[in-house]
Amino acid sequence: NAGVTQTPKFQVLKTGQSMTLQCAQDMNHNSMYWYRQDPGMGLRLIYYSASEGTTDKGEVPNGYNVSRLNKREFSLRLESAAPSQTSVYFCASSDPGQGPTEAFFGQGTRLTVV
Amino acid sequence: DAKTTQPPSMDCAEGRAANLPCNHSTISGNEYVYWYRQIHSQGPQYIIHGLKNNETNEMASLIITEDRKSSTLILPHATLRDTAVYYCIVRASSNDYKLSFGAGTTVTVRA
Repeated sequence: NAGVTQTPKFQVLKTGQSMTLQCAQDMNHNSMYWYRQDPGMGLRLIYYSASEGTTDKGEVPNGYNVSRLNKREFSLRLESAAPSQTSVYFCASSDPGQGPTEAFFGQGTRLTVV
Repeated sequence: DAKTTQPPSMDCAEGRAANLPCNHSTISGNEYVYWYRQIHSQGPQYIIHGLKNNETNEMASLIITEDRKSSTLILPHATLRDTAVYYCIVRASSNDYKLSFGAGTTVTVRA
């Protein structure tokens, strides 16, 4: 049982390049999330998907797009990377329809935009 | 969601209990208190949650005051591996399970 798996773990991009961060969960959770964490700060929600087929903006969605490919997979795309998007990106999943429950997080993707 | 206030940092001696306070004076009746921790930039890890009763699991205990305006996370016997940033989060149990992370408390356990 791998939980939440993110790929890649590290990435360096040049300004203006695009890339997609992949996330997959094997817990049959309905909801999935993308967060970013800047140095010394807490996590901020970028986008979330409450269920398969739906996506919604979080606190800091500008510069990002997401796709809920199926129940297992939720990808985050940077169309034109900027240095301000240098951060650690965390994917998470949960099953809130079952009442108060925990969210499970991946190990993060460390992205540097130069 | 109710806002939470935590001290920015605290130290604890190895083997002693660590008591982490959290204020959430604007908490609503249907909002739960959750605690997560993040060890050295790994993904956050769930610790415990509660509504109004005290809760205990294999990791920690959660004490919520009667008026629910504050709570304390207790690590009964802190180890060096408990050094982490601890986040107190208040959230209603609903289908939109969006956690709002603040800066948390950086706990350093010293030998």
